[in-house]
Amino acid sequence: KQEVTQIPAALSVPEGENLVLNCSFTDSAIYNLQWFRQDPGKGLTSLLLIQSSQREQTSGRLNASLDKSSGRSTLYIAASQPGDSATYLCAVPTQGGSEKLVFGKGTKLTVNP
Amino acid sequence: KAGVTQTPRYLIKTRGQQVTLSCSPISGHRSVSWYQQTPGQGLQFLFEYFSETQRNKGNFPGRFSGRQFSNSRSEMNVSTLELGDSALYLCASSRLNLGTGELFFGEGSRLTVL
Repeated sequence: KQEVTQIPAALSVPEGENLVLNCSFTDSAIYNLQWFRQDPGKGLTSLLLIQSSQREQTSGRLNASLDKSSGRSTLYIAASQPGDSATYLCAVPTQGGSEKLVFGKGTKLTVNP
Repeated sequence: KAGVTQTPRYLIKTRGQQVTLSCSPISGHRSVSWYQQTPGQGLQFLFEYFSETQRNKGNFPGRFSGRQFSNSRSEMNVSTLELGDSALYLCASSRLNLGTGELFFGEGSRLTVL
């Protein structure tokens, strides 16, 4: 059974700092991994999708890496801003051909001005 | 291009009532899935539909049901509501017909059961 863990559960950093969020999964046979952002009371916003054949994906100040063999993914945020404050979630499909995702509990990020 | 639209955004029900939530996927997306989010359990998969067929179902009681229409719009229904059904219900759609694609979520329907 696939399980996804995100550590730490919460992180507080000063503005401008570079930071890394971690995501680990127990079954390395994944098809892709997706990172989301969720603002309080809102839905999920897709940040990055990494296919199993890829090592990393970049979008602006965000860079996500994937190491299937070790069951890990990281989300790197460069030059953090207060507007980056949100909960970040990672998710993997339970099987190919399915949109049934298993989510981590998320990391709540606070960027202090 | 409009995103995933969920209605209603907020609703309050009492125990024993039933509720229907609606989801309109992004234009051209034929796969729709539903998730329940609670503070204690996090995000949990409810069901997934493609071309009006349920392809996957999560571990929820039979009180939770759903369907998809020919225009890909989807509804989910919860009957005989319980206090524990209070949650944010999120709908997601995907472009890829066979899954494993990028999911796009709506803003959710916040259900409160009193």
